Amino acid sequence: GENVEQHPSTLSVQEGDSAVIKCTYSDSASNYFPWYKQELGKGPQLIIDIRSNVGEKKDQRIAVTLNKTAKHFSLHITETQPEDSAVYFCAASAYNQGGKLIFGQGTELSVKP
Amino acid sequence: ETGVTQTPRHLVMGMTNKKSLKCEQHLGHNAMYWYKQSAKKPLELMFVYSLEERVENNSVPSRFSPECPNSSHLFLHLHTLQPEDSALYLCASSQERDQETQYFGPGTRLLVL
Repeated sequence: GENVEQHPSTLSVQEGDSAVIKCTYSDSASNYFPWYKQELGKGPQLIIDIRSNVGEKKDQRIAVTLNKTAKHFSLHITETQPEDSAVYFCAASAYNQGGKLIFGQGTELSVKP
Repeated sequence: ETGVTQTPRHLVMGMTNKKSLKCEQHLGHNAMYWYKQSAKKPLELMFVYSLEERVENNSVPSRFSPECPNSSHLFLHLHTLQPEDSALYLCASSQERDQETQYFGPGTRLLVL
């Protein structure tokens, strides 16, 4: 079955700097890759997703890149702000597995003012 | 607000108790999910319901019993739990089951003594 590895587990950056979180997946049939942000006391919230027919997607300060050959995808946050501090989860899903989401272990991002 | 609510938000129970977790979605979705989130571990999918029919049981012990009386409500009945079942239990919904954006509730923080 699918296995998703996420790194780093913790990340501390200065406000205004960029943050990058990386995930690798094992199942070449995976074709949907969402990213979720979880703030303290809340459930995960989708922030951006990408499907395997594109290599990059951007939404304001957030971008996701996908390398199907290497089976990895990354989340990029530019001009970080203290409110970006949260736990971020990547996930992968294969259509032939019923679309079940397999999550990474999470990255705790801390943005210092 | 994601449109997915969960009650109670916090629950403490003994190993011999019976309790139920409730989830309600106001989004008109057809699929609902239960996840378990333990510290330092990825989100674990427990159950999937599509159009009120259970389509996945991810090898979950029988002390967890889900119920989906209609497409807006999902319950998780708990009976004779173990301390290692202490975790955050998250409910999610999506328009359809396959590779759709999942919207999460805030979760129920469960402590089993």
